[in-house]
Amino acid sequence: DSGVTQTPKHLITATGQRVTLRCSPRSGDLSVYWYQQSLDQGLQFLIQYYNGEERAKGNILERFSAQQFPDLHSELNLSSLELGDSALYFCASTPPSGGAEDTQYFGPGTRLTVL
Amino acid sequence: AQTVTQSQPEMSVQEAETVTLSCTYDTSESNYYLFWYKQPPSRQMILVIRQEAYKQQNATENRFSVNFQKAAKSFSLKISDSQLGDTAMYFCAFMKWGDDMRFGAGTRLTVKP
Repeated sequence: DSGVTQTPKHLITATGQRVTLRCSPRSGDLSVYWYQQSLDQGLQFLIQYYNGEERAKGNILERFSAQQFPDLHSELNLSSLELGDSALYFCASTPPSGGAEDTQYFGPGTRLTVL
Repeated sequence: AQTVTQSQPEMSVQEAETVTLSCTYDTSESNYYLFWYKQPPSRQMILVIRQEAYKQQNATENRFSVNFQKAAKSFSLKISDSQLGDTAMYFCAFMKWGDDMRFGAGTRLTVKP
């Protein structure tokens, strides 16, 4: 158990819908990263937040957005869903500066199925 | 841009034997970090081992060790005394400080009894 929690574990929805994925980082961690893993593919970095502020953006679609709240949990919002958005979505957190801030600890993932 | 290449899509090894997974990367940076993550059938991403580029000594974690060749930009993972529970996808990853992590495409390892 990495200490990173993600809810829900599974999500099944229809095309055109909107969903919210939630992530709680490890206690004390300030950074949250979001990744998408499609079937038989590696992990694609979506976005990073550090202490409530967006720090880096990767291959995130305009239909997707994220935020990190004052309690440091983060939410990834996916809208106008398409079949191709079906994937495993991971979040990861890293220790604050001064620790092993380079090491990302992953949550169990949320499996999104768009029908 | 940093890229990570894992040239072995699939590998297999007999239980109790040793296997080496390959990884190369491309970067112009001198300070960075390298990682191996394991993803078993449960799909959980589990950190196996990490290496700081400024350290010459190869990292070791129990049965897992790396061969880090900075000049060659190579970072292979050796698994000794392979166990059935080692069956998983293994991802090599690169990160420079303050940047996002780049993953290779993965190597699917099967440990056979």
